[in-house]
Amino acid sequence: AQTVTQSQPEMSVQEAETVTLSCTYDTSESDYYLFWYKQPPSRQMILVIRQEAYKQQNATENRFSVNFQKAAKSFSLKISDSQLGDAAMYFCAYRSATPGNQFYFGTGTSLTVIP
Amino acid sequence: DSGVTQTPKHLITATGQRVTLRCSPRSGDLSVYWYQQSLDQGLQFLIQYYNGEERAKGNILERFSAQQFPDLHSELNLSSLELGDSALYFCASSMVQGGYYGYTFGSGTRLTVV
Repeated sequence: AQTVTQSQPEMSVQEAETVTLSCTYDTSESDYYLFWYKQPPSRQMILVIRQEAYKQQNATENRFSVNFQKAAKSFSLKISDSQLGDAAMYFCAYRSATPGNQFYFGTGTSLTVIP
Repeated sequence: DSGVTQTPKHLITATGQRVTLRCSPRSGDLSVYWYQQSLDQGLQFLIQYYNGEERAKGNILERFSAQQFPDLHSELNLSSLELGDSALYFCASSMVQGGYYGYTFGSGTRLTVV
């Protein structure tokens, strides 16, 4: 089974600064998708950004971008110009391209934004 | 509102009891997934249904069962509850079984077993 590892249980960043959250995964598949989800105190899981493994170009969504290193099986999330509303638990997730497969989630990184 | 509805939002029950959690997927989504999120842990996959059929099973206990009905809503039944079953239970839905599309999550049901 695939495994997703987030080695940073907690991170903090000053408001307006940049922070990078790490994620590594283990898989023998060549075609898959990677995601970052955000879980604020409301508990709602919110999709932040996603990446297709066959695309070399890193995905970007406004202040959120990823650094996808397929050979290294690394998928980090960069948050630029951090805002107070970015404070949340962030989960990295893997999904096989094979139809029917579920997501595998990391254990999460709790991000604190310091005013 | 994500479009995925979970009820109830909170549930407190005693050990040994049985509860049913309900999930209505986003309109048009055929796949429903159930996850368990215990304190300080990530999301553990329990089970997946696609258009009424079970498609994948994860770390789901034998005391737990689920089904998806013709109207595509799903129920997760938890029986002989133990203190360790206290967790946040998420339902998620997606348009297709696999691929690029992410999940749309419900807001979860917080189960407390006392």
